[in-house]
Amino acid sequence: DVKVTQSSRYLVKRTGEKVFLECVQDMDHENMFWYRQDPGLGLRLIYFSYDVKMKEKGDIPEGYSVSREKKERFSLILESASTNQTSMYLCATLGGGMNTEAFFGQGTRLTVV
Amino acid sequence: DAKTTQPPSMDCAEGRAANLPCNHSTISGNEYVYWYRQIHSQGPQYIIHGLKNNETNEMASLIITEDRKSSTLILPHATLRDTAVYYCIVRGFNNNDMRFGAGTRLTVKP
Repeated sequence: DVKVTQSSRYLVKRTGEKVFLECVQDMDHENMFWYRQDPGLGLRLIYFSYDVKMKEKGDIPEGYSVSREKKERFSLILESASTNQTSMYLCATLGGGMNTEAFFGQGTRLTVV
Repeated sequence: DAKTTQPPSMDCAEGRAANLPCNHSTISGNEYVYWYRQIHSQGPQYIIHGLKNNETNEMASLIITEDRKSSTLILPHATLRDTAVYYCIVRGFNNNDMRFGAGTRLTVKP
């Protein structure tokens, strides 16, 4: 079975904390993505990575960074968490070439207090 | 930003066909149309994709206009479990940039 695993389902952090959201996939996919989802705004792309150590900014990268040291793991980092980063965060993977289907994790609901 | 536009919400009666439209007027020749749906509290799941021909699978049908500037996802006999947010996106097979919009919230009513 295909698996995209996000390290936490629910997370509560304090303003100013450094926060790590981890995503691990077992499909050997080249591409990995981080989105945030807020009511009425759909899925907004934060960052994506098409290879180890490679990253590209999405539509809303401000306040976030990412790390991809190994193919199977893509981390989203909130350097100094703020209340406006309270959201649902979703990780996705996508194979290259003829692979057509993206797979998503279950999401991490982050609350910053 | 997403390259597609969809109505924010639609209703459908249970057992009837649900027709969800998507506009992608700037689609380029090598880009495919993909549909995903997200049921509450879950990650989005793939439904179907197509290039220019109509496509059908066990979940849905995809109708793409001849000029490829719009498409319609058809759920032939909607059930209450089809209540979800439906996303239409475009991308090429070699394009790893995957952007979603706000999607259409479909509510199937008894």
